[in-house]
Amino acid sequence: DAGVIQSPRHEVTEMGQEVTLRCKPISGHNSLFWYRQTMMRGLELLIYFNNNVPIDDSGMPEDRFSAKMPNASFSTLKIQPSEPRDSAVYFCASSLGGTGYNEQFFGPGTRLTVL
Amino acid sequence: GENVEQHPSTLSVQEGDSAVIKCTYSDSASNYFPWYKQELGKRPQLIIDIRSNVGEKKDQRIAVTLNKTAKHFSLHITETQPEDSAVYFCAASQAYKLSFGAGTTVTVRA
Repeated sequence: DAGVIQSPRHEVTEMGQEVTLRCKPISGHNSLFWYRQTMMRGLELLIYFNNNVPIDDSGMPEDRFSAKMPNASFSTLKIQPSEPRDSAVYFCASSLGGTGYNEQFFGPGTRLTVL
Repeated sequence: GENVEQHPSTLSVQEGDSAVIKCTYSDSASNYFPWYKQELGKRPQLIIDIRSNVGEKKDQRIAVTLNKTAKHFSLHITETQPEDSAVYFCAASQAYKLSFGAGTTVTVRA
C-alpha cells in the first residue's frame, strides 16, 4: 500500500488567495483526520470524518476553513481567503475504525506558506 | 477537553544511555495512549501504544508505562542510538480524538 497520499507537498501563496489541500487515505480506512502543526500550537486536530461524514469540526479555526470528503478515497481542506497565520504543515491521517484504539497513519504533510 | 503535558521539551543523551519522557493527562476518560516519533521534515509515526487496562508494554528497546491513578504515562528508550534522535509526541485519546503533548526533542550524542 502507498500509505496516505497528500498533495501538494509544498504550497506558497499570497495572502487572500484560495488554497486547496488534497488527501487520499489508505484504501479500506474509514476514518480520516486533518491536523495542523505549528511550533506555537503543536499538533491540532482540525476535523474528523467517519465513513465520509464530518463528525467533529470543532478544531476548524474559523469560517475561512472548510473540508469535504466526497468519497472514501478523497478529501480536501480549503482555506479561503488565506492569511499569513495559516502558514503551517497540514497533515492528513487515516485509520481503520474510529474507536481511538486504531493507529492513525499520517501522510507526508503539506507545508503551506502564506506570504 | 483533554490537556496533555509533556516533559522535558528537550533531552540530550549519550549514545547507549537511556531516555525517559513523561506525560500527564487531565481527562480520566482517556483510555488509549500512543507515542509518535517525528524525524525532521517527516510525518509522525506510531512507535508504541498502550491501553488503559495495561500498566506496561515493551517492544525491544522501547517501553511505555501507565499510571491511571496519577494520570501519568512515560516512554523509556534504552541503549539509545543516533537514529533515535527525533521529536517524540505523547497523546491521549478517548474515542477518535487524539490530544497531543507539545513534543520532546531527543538528541543522541555519539
